[in-house]
Amino acid sequence: NAGVMQNPRHLVRRRGQEARLRCSPMKGHSHVYWYRQLPEEGLKFMVYLQKENIIDESGMPKERFSAEFPKEGPSILRIQQVVRGDSAAYFCASSPGQSGNTEAFFGQGTRLTVV
Amino acid sequence: KQEVTQIPAALSVPEGENLVLNCSFTDSAIYNLQWFRQDPGKGLTSLLLIQSSQREQTSGRLNASLDKSSGRSTLYIAASQPGDSATYLCAVPDSSNTGKLIFGQGTTLQVKP
Repeated sequence: NAGVMQNPRHLVRRRGQEARLRCSPMKGHSHVYWYRQLPEEGLKFMVYLQKENIIDESGMPKERFSAEFPKEGPSILRIQQVVRGDSAAYFCASSPGQSGNTEAFFGQGTRLTVV
Repeated sequence: KQEVTQIPAALSVPEGENLVLNCSFTDSAIYNLQWFRQDPGKGLTSLLLIQSSQREQTSGRLNASLDKSSGRSTLYIAASQPGDSATYLCAVPDSSNTGKLIFGQGTTLQVKP
């Protein structure tokens, strides 16, 4: 049973370009969470999705950031018109259920560098 | 609003020492608490998950305790090894019960040979 798969592992974008980060949850998991880890900071929640639905996007910046989890395929975190401050590690976690009592499993992350 | 704090921020010990990492949280109404390990440039590896009904969990040289009433958890590492060098993060689910986690800032551990 493969773990949570994120790709790419490293992504370099010039200012103003778009970044697309992908996350395939563990088999059987239909709940996906995205977190961001800025340099020298802890992980911060961004968005929680179930298949075809955004459940909680309270941690996601209102502009330039969007997320989706289509019926088929991976979850995508999209950052438009990237700026240097978007440089960070972006982690995806999946779980089999919504409850706060379920264990989350994390991917290896995508490290975005904006130059 | 749940807040998670980890002390110390950094720790350096000689190989073989037993050590304790601390985690505190402001809202004691949690379902569980999870300890993770993060190696530089890598993802998060789950070490231990303690349910709210449990007081401790053990895995090898690691022992995690949970005291909900005082809002504290400790991660005890016995006979530390250089391979234990990493950042240790604790996290609790937030009160929305949607499974999203609130993380501490982490403790960066260095075990010197």
